[in-house]
Amino acid sequence: KAGVTQTPRYLIKTRGQQVTLSCSPISGHRSVSWYQQTPGQGLQFLFEYFSETQRNKGNFPGRFSGRQFSNSRSEMNVSTLELGDSALYLCASSLGSNEKLFFGSGTQLSVL
Amino acid sequence: SQQGEEDPQALSIQEGENATMNCSYKTSINNLQWYRQNSGRGLVHLILIRSNEREKHSGRLRVTLDTSKKSSSLLITASRAADTASYFCAPSVSGGYNKLIFGAGTRLAVHP
Repeated sequence: KAGVTQTPRYLIKTRGQQVTLSCSPISGHRSVSWYQQTPGQGLQFLFEYFSETQRNKGNFPGRFSGRQFSNSRSEMNVSTLELGDSALYLCASSLGSNEKLFFGSGTQLSVL
Repeated sequence: SQQGEEDPQALSIQEGENATMNCSYKTSINNLQWYRQNSGRGLVHLILIRSNEREKHSGRLRVTLDTSKKSSSLLITASRAADTASYFCAPSVSGGYNKLIFGAGTRLAVHP
């Protein structure tokens, strides 16, 4: 069974631009979560989707948004990029609630 | 903060020795999970212990959970150089679906 796939692996953007990151969960997994990892703040929860519905949201500004499609694939979008958005963005999928998460390799975003 | 907090922040040992990492948290949990991360890659799930469990084993890993003290520990026995990584505990907050609260992690270095 294929693991969680995130694309692209690396991304370089400039301030003010927007970016869309993609995540394909493990087949059959309906929950997709997103996390941001930075050296200063560590791993922070962004949001979680289950069957196309956002069930939970972290403490991030509205520039961070996401969605989930009917095939459980998910995208997250960051608009008006700031230097501080440079981070490793990790996607994780799970069968249901309160279960272990399977993480992808992440998208390394650099904002110049 | 609901954050899981690991102790120590860094640990350096020789191959064959045991490594113990501790975690404390501040809220009610459904379960507590431990993950490993190798330098900037995705996280790998190690073990999940539910709130009504006190101890769990998986290979060379042993996890304990004390909900009265809101603490957990991860023991890696007979460590190997390949165990070198960062280890994170992640409490799954009650009612938070798959929202995990990660601490800063413990950086483990195992020397041959």
